[in-house]
Amino acid sequence: DTAVSQTPKYLVTQMGNDKSIKCEQNLGHDTMYWYKQDSKKFLKIMFSYNNKELIINETVPNRFSPKSPDKAHLNLHINSLELGDSAVYFCASSKAYTGELFFGEGSRLTVL
Amino acid sequence: AQSVTQLGSHVSVSEGALVLLRCNYSSSVPPYLFWYVQYPNQGLQLLLKYTSAATLVKGINGFEAEFKKSETSFHLTKPSAHMSDAAEYFCAVRTQGAQKLLFGQGTRLTINP
Repeated sequence: DTAVSQTPKYLVTQMGNDKSIKCEQNLGHDTMYWYKQDSKKFLKIMFSYNNKELIINETVPNRFSPKSPDKAHLNLHINSLELGDSAVYFCASSKAYTGELFFGEGSRLTVL
Repeated sequence: AQSVTQLGSHVSVSEGALVLLRCNYSSSVPPYLFWYVQYPNQGLQLLLKYTSAATLVKGINGFEAEFKKSETSFHLTKPSAHMSDAAEYFCAVRTQGAQKLLFGQGTRLTINP
């Protein structure tokens, strides 16, 4: 029973398209995150939600819109995809801001 | 402001040899420090954490790390490398009251047979 699950695992799409990634956690955590990992493995936080409320928005282009329908789910919608959006997107969750994050397996986005 | 630097983007050791992955941090207040491991095509997994209790912290898979305030370091070690240790390792820092974890650049560990 996967603790943090993301779908889809792979997305391949054309520039200009819109795509969504879904994330669900069954750990009962209050806080969820989206991280972006680039081709050099550098990890950067994009968004953080606590109990469905947006807490962190790290100067991400407004083409990226997170949505948290409840505290167990955090989805990411990306409009007008660009080549530079190609990356692996990780969802994670934690109990408050302990720093002990539980990560999903990642969603690899390739924009052609 | 806080920052974290991992020295060496790639470390290669022989099976059975000592593993040493270096991490230095910068923080104006006492930090919480973490090491995470990422196996190929997987998400990150917590190896160990320092949260101001004992300075020598033991983690999973035989890894440990020592917090040295005077050196602002939190290096990760394992006495004897296994082939299964090959992965990407990330050091991370969070200061008290901060709502996010800041990751280092990562160190790729390769184990030679």
